Amino acid sequence: AQSVAQPEDQVNVAEGNPLTVKCTYSVSGNPYLFWYVQYPNRGLQFLLKYITGDNLVKGSYGFEAEFNKSQTSFHLKKPSALVSDSALYFCVENQGGKLIFGQGTELSVKP
Amino acid sequence: EAGVVQSPRYKIIEKKQPVAFWCNPISGHNTLYWYRQNLGQGPELLIRYENEEAVDDSQLPKDRFSAERLKGVDSTLKIQPAELGDSAVYLCASSWGSGANVLTFGAGSRLTVL
Repeated sequence: AQSVAQPEDQVNVAEGNPLTVKCTYSVSGNPYLFWYVQYPNRGLQFLLKYITGDNLVKGSYGFEAEFNKSQTSFHLKKPSALVSDSALYFCVENQGGKLIFGQGTELSVKP
Repeated sequence: EAGVVQSPRYKIIEKKQPVAFWCNPISGHNTLYWYRQNLGQGPELLIRYENEEAVDDSQLPKDRFSAERLKGVDSTLKIQPAELGDSAVYLCASSWGSGANVLTFGAGSRLTVL
């Protein structure tokens, strides 16, 4: 079955360091890919999306993601992490109008 | 503008009891989704509406779950009877269209079945 994979359950980084949250997708052709973030006791929030065009996508709160077709990856990145970035991050693939969520990666940023 | 509104935020019931969740999407959004999120997992689609029509309900457990979206605006998701395994957060989302459009999620309804 087609799916999106987030290989890390948890990522720990120190504040001020760069962060990467990994994601690989499986849809062939031209996928629609998204990153959403879920803060504790709050709804899921959209961060960014890739539809077509430039492989580097910039989103909210200083996050960006790089689409790599040869590696079927869509890793989320930020040059300098903040403690407030600590949350649960989901990579999402649009399959025919249905959003398929990865299992999520818990990001913990320590001061 | 108000976001996607869901109620109740929390519900605790005994197994075999019925429960209903309500969702008011963002004004003008024609597509509405119900997702279920189990603890430590990503959300899974239960049903997707385009206007009044359920266009994808393949993952809705139809023996006990039902949903409706009368008049193509608000939606209700019902479980009857509830089972222990139904404990989860039920998320409603809406969007304009369903292609590459961004979904706006509500805060969710957390169900605990005892």
